[in-house]
Amino acid sequence: DGGITQSPKYLFRKEGQNVTLSCEQNLNHDAMYWYRQDPGQGLRLIYYSQIVNDFQKGDIAEGYSVSREKKESFPLTVTSAQKNPTAFYLCASSIPSRTGGSYEQYFGPGTRLTVT
Amino acid sequence: QKEVEQNSGPLSVPEGAIASLNCTYSDRGSQSFFWYRQYSGKSPELIMFIYSNGDKEDGRFTAQLNKASQYVSLLIRDSQPSDSATYLCAVTQRPRGGFKTIFGAGTRLFVKA
Repeated sequence: DGGITQSPKYLFRKEGQNVTLSCEQNLNHDAMYWYRQDPGQGLRLIYYSQIVNDFQKGDIAEGYSVSREKKESFPLTVTSAQKNPTAFYLCASSIPSRTGGSYEQYFGPGTRLTVT
Repeated sequence: QKEVEQNSGPLSVPEGAIASLNCTYSDRGSQSFFWYRQYSGKSPELIMFIYSNGDKEDGRFTAQLNKASQYVSLLIRDSQPSDSATYLCAVTQRPRGGFKTIFGAGTRLFVKA
């Protein structure tokens, strides 16, 4: 089965600790994304990568870091510098559209991070 | 002004009725438009996408796009209780350097049995 996996589903950490969220896809998609969702809000882009060994900051990159060493994997590290890390984190991947002009994104199941 | 705006709802419709969900966007250069369904506690699931002005139908779902009015909508015919979810509108722009997808905050739909 092709798809996107994120682990773990729930994660609890103490304030001041870094934590890494896993995202793996076997869809052979070039582009991968990390979003954060807070209650009652839309998705906010943290980082994205259009190709291996390259990534760009999204709208809320401060306090986060990523790597893209393999096409299949795009882990996100939430550092202690992130002031409000408790949120639902979603990883997505995409292929070039048939029109060549846009991307349809497919999401993993998400990781709910709670920092106390 | 938000880049992608949706009424947060909740929108309540009786079972069997048509649910109409609306979305407006601010960037006239936006190229592609998506509707995602998100059940509570779950990740978004792509249900429709539309690129050209007009209507696009897929089963009980119809997406409508009016680029002149910067407006995209989703109609759900014969609404079922299982359609109760939050519906996210997403718009893809093409700034220099690549694509950027902006998500609305979503509209909560409640279908009453």
